[in-house]
Amino acid sequence: EAGVAQSPRYKIIEKRQSVAFWCNPISGHATLYWYQQILGQGPKLLIQFQNNGVVDDSQLPKDRFSAERLKGVDSTLKIQPAKLEDSAVYLCASRLPRANEQFFGPGTRLTVL
Amino acid sequence: AQKITQTQPGMFVQEKEAVTLDCTYDTSDPSYGLFWYKQPSSGEMIFLIYQGSYDQQNATEGRYSLNFQKARKSANLVISASQLGDSAMYFCAMRDGEYGNKLVFGAGTILRVKS
Repeated sequence: EAGVAQSPRYKIIEKRQSVAFWCNPISGHATLYWYQQILGQGPKLLIQFQNNGVVDDSQLPKDRFSAERLKGVDSTLKIQPAKLEDSAVYLCASRLPRANEQFFGPGTRLTVL
Repeated sequence: AQKITQTQPGMFVQEKEAVTLDCTYDTSDPSYGLFWYKQPSSGEMIFLIYQGSYDQQNATEGRYSLNFQKARKSANLVISASQLGDSAMYFCAMRDGEYGNKLVFGAGTILRVKS
């Protein structure tokens, strides 16, 4: 079974530029999460989708971050414009309905200069 | 609000010995789940073990066991017979409620296994 796929793995941009990250969850996993992991900290949830609907985006900085999950499968997270403090690893995770475990992708490491 | 506290920034253990990584939590929800994840230097988060708040027995998965003390709100991870490949960052996390809610993570403990 293929795991959660993310791309790109690494991205370096300058502040005020835009960037987008892509996630393909495990087949059949209706729930998808985006987490932000700043260096030296644990991951923090940005947004949770159930199929193509948003369940929780309370910690998403909506003035600059946006996310979508069209057709309830792949998801894209966008930052526009990026700030220095957005430098982090962005992790995507997915989960089967009524399951405990979240499966994580390899992450995208973003550096904002 | 949920909170996870991992008080050990770093730990060392000798190869083949056991090590305990501490985790305390705070929640007002009577139904919750506790998780441990391993994050090697490559960055992926690897699920290790899960304990539900109503589970009567401590969870075990191979060399991993969870020492769940509900009254103390602690969920320590015990790794037996440490291996060099166990060197990584370890995160304790919890979710409130029955399925599907977000995970709240602690700050992590970095474990180094010495040969």
